[in-house]
Amino acid sequence: GQNIDQPTEMTATEGAIVQINCTYQTSGFNGLFWYQQHAGEAPTFLSYNVLDGLEEKGRFSSFLSRSKGYSYLLLKELQMKDSASYLCVRAGNNRKLIWGLGTSLAVNP
Amino acid sequence: EAQVTQNPRYLITVTGKKLTVTCSQNMNHEYMSWYRQDPGLGLRQIYYSMNVEVTDKGDVPEGYKVSRKEKRNFPLILESPSPNQTSLYFCASSLGASGQAGDGYTFGSGTRLTVV
Repeated sequence: GQNIDQPTEMTATEGAIVQINCTYQTSGFNGLFWYQQHAGEAPTFLSYNVLDGLEEKGRFSSFLSRSKGYSYLLLKELQMKDSASYLCVRAGNNRKLIWGLGTSLAVNP
Repeated sequence: EAQVTQNPRYLITVTGKKLTVTCSQNMNHEYMSWYRQDPGLGLRQIYYSMNVEVTDKGDVPEGYKVSRKEKRNFPLILESPSPNQTSLYFCASSLGASGQAGDGYTFGSGTRLTVV
């Protein structure tokens, strides 16, 4: 996806912590989403950040730094079911969404 | 249960044969959108609708039509499908425009379309 950079693939171990980074173009920024998508299924909404800082929601947390054009998704206590693609999505002030290509996370036992 | 219902899940059709993919949501959402997802290209928006009778083109509208006669329904129409429209299609809805009420999109289960 244009203007969104996130790693293509990551691997982690069950029970560990993993951080998925995302950088985006800062001009016209109006919010940052993270979605989870299992293979062959629809994306599901994880988080939305519009202000700087960390938002925690159970095992998942999302961080935003607007000045740096940077976000990360933190997954704790990884489970096998967390194996999925994680999509970073930037909202612009024209209401347009720019979708990243996703980070494919493999959780190994 | 709050959901977006999309049909069919799978469809194989021939070039030029008109088809419609239906999408219905039961959450009274104003904003609805259609996406296609292709390997290496990610999710790309086809059309969106801000409310009844209000629709607009997304990034890849060519070859597609939509309508929004009722708030709950947002069908995607392919008047003359071609093989380059073979893709995975998703309908989505949200309370605010582009999900910016902070609740994000709710997606349908997807339609895997093959045009031969």
